[in-house]
Formats: sequence, structure tokens, C-alpha cells
Amino acid sequence: DARVTQTPRHKVTEMGQEVTMRCQPILGHNTVFWYRQTMMQGLELLAYFRNRAPLDDSGMPKDRFSAEMPDATLATLKIQPSEPRDSAVYFCASGQTGLYNEQFFGPGTRLTVL
Amino acid sequence: GDSVTQMEGPVTLSEEAFLTINCTYTATGYPSLFWYVQYPGEGLQLLLKATKADDKGSNKGFEATYRKETTSFHLEKGSVQVSDSAVYFCALSDQGDKIIFGKGTRLHILP
Repeated sequence: DARVTQTPRHKVTEMGQEVTMRCQPILGHNTVFWYRQTMMQGLELLAYFRNRAPLDDSGMPKDRFSAEMPDATLATLKIQPSEPRDSAVYFCASGQTGLYNEQFFGPGTRLTVL
Repeated sequence: GDSVTQMEGPVTLSEEAFLTINCTYTATGYPSLFWYVQYPGEGLQLLLKATKADDKGSNKGFEATYRKETTSFHLEKGSVQVSDSAVYFCALSDQGDKIIFGKGTRLHILP
């Protein structure tokens, strides 16, 4: 049963610390998306990749967030330095171009910045 | 630009009641339409989809019909269960890889 995996599932850190979240997309998928979910803002698209190339990161605060795909099996989202307003659940999703753009979501990383 | 509007929640129903969650969309092309569901503590998962006008998507007793004339994709279920309590997202994909999600509707089913 192919699934998107994310680590860590929970992260508590202090303001100013670096946070790295990891995602393993489903094997064979060529698109990867990072979302942030909060009660106030709902689900926001932060960045996405196709064939490992970043195509859109307009939803991401550029000064502190960065997203990369070092290889086809790993996507990372980094926050440096973290701030309390970054507290949210971060989801990774993967998909395959042409499959009606269906996206498969991971279980999320719940981030709390104190 | 493309957008999705769905009814605000929370929606509270008794078990075995009939469910409708309204969703309308705006798109420039011919989008695919989706309903995703998010159970507590989990990521979103695809519930059903429809890729062209008049298609009906169905899964787990839920149904939605792609209505181009009214630009709607309302979610229905004839008899809800407590286990259906979740947040439901209407979504569309028009051009490119991205999906546009609605704000979500929280559903509570009372036993």
C-alpha cells in the first residue's frame, strides 16, 4: 500500500531554532506539494515541485522558508529561524501529472514553536 | 482566477440523517472536481472525483454530480454515520498540476 510518509510527526521547538521537515513521496510520482494548515487560514499551498524542479513557491515566506528535493525520494521543508506564527500542521502531498491531478497526502507534521 | 466556494460549517446531524454539503466553483477551463475528506489527526484523502460534466463520483455511500450548467459539485449521502464525522474539502484542478481547495466544512454526526 503506497503512502506518502512524513517525519517527524510532531515537533516542538523554541523560537529562533531551525526546523526541518521531511517527506517521502510515493514511488513513481513526479509532483510534490507542501501545504500548511491552520485554523485561521485553512489549507495554504507553500511550494510545489515537478520532476524535482521547483515550479511555484509563491506561497512561502522567502526570508525564512526553503523547500528542496535532493532526490526523487526525499523532499524537505526548512524553516530558519522559526517563529511562533509558524505553528501549524505541514502536509506533503505527491501526485502524477496526467492522473487528473489527484494528490495523495501524508499524515502531516504538527509543528509548535514556543 | 479559479476558486471553490463551499458551505461553512460546522454541520451537525443525527446518525442516519441525509447529508448535503454545497460546493460551487469558478474556472476558466474544464476542470476536474474532487471531494477530499480529512479525519481527525490525518491528512486529506480523496473521497471521490468527477472529470467531466454530468459525471457522478461515488465512494463509501457519498455521491456528487458534476453540474456544468450550475457550476456545482454538491456532496450527498443518504444516511450518515458517526464515523463520517470529519472535515470535507471541495476542490478543483483546471490547468497544470495544482489543486484549488475550498475552505473545508466540518461535519459532526451525533449518535
